[in-house]
Amino acid sequence: NAGVTQTPKFQVLKTGQSMTLQCAQDMNHEYMSWYRQDPGMGLRLIHYSVGAGITDQGEVPNGYNVSRSTTEDFPLRLLSAAPSQTSVYFCASSSRDRDIVTEAFFGQGTRLTVV
Amino acid sequence: QKEVEQDPGPLSVPEGAIVSLNCTYSNSAFQYFMWYRQYSRKGPELLMYTYSSGNKEDGRFTAQVDKSSKYISLFIRDSQPSDSATYLCAMTIWRWTGGGADGLTFGKGTHLIIQP
Repeated sequence: NAGVTQTPKFQVLKTGQSMTLQCAQDMNHEYMSWYRQDPGMGLRLIHYSVGAGITDQGEVPNGYNVSRSTTEDFPLRLLSAAPSQTSVYFCASSSRDRDIVTEAFFGQGTRLTVV
Repeated sequence: QKEVEQDPGPLSVPEGAIVSLNCTYSNSAFQYFMWYRQYSRKGPELLMYTYSSGNKEDGRFTAQVDKSSKYISLFIRDSQPSDSATYLCAMTIWRWTGGGADGLTFGKGTHLIIQP
């Protein structure tokens, strides 16, 4: 049982390049989300999805796009990379109790550097 | 004022000691409370979650929630060097929008060091 799988683990981009961070979960969770983690800032929510075809913005959505075509996959797209997007990105998959996120399971992260 | 406050540490204690990690929060709408452990260069790992005020125990770990004081704690008994990590508290809010929850709100984490 893989849980939450993120690819790639590491990536270096040049300013202005675009890329997609992949996330897949095998727990049949409806709720998935993307966070970034920066020193001194903690984990901040970028985008989330409550099911296939439904996405919404979190705390820091600018510069990122998401889509959710299947329950399993929730890719994060960087449209035009900027040095401020250098961070560690975590995908999470969560169980829900009514409309409350309960247990969240995280992937191992993607360490992104934008030069 | 941040919704969730957590002392970043580092907190350094000798092996075998009881560790107390704490978070305070300001929004009384938070419903579920969680503790995560994060080793360096790894993803957060869920340790415990709880809904009710009071204590919940799991092995050497005890989670405590006091909703009236807006205060949660994680206690680690018989601490081991392998417990050295960053501990993150997290909590969720129920949004009455029909669209679902807006994710977890995290504390910034406390860096814990257990000295052999």
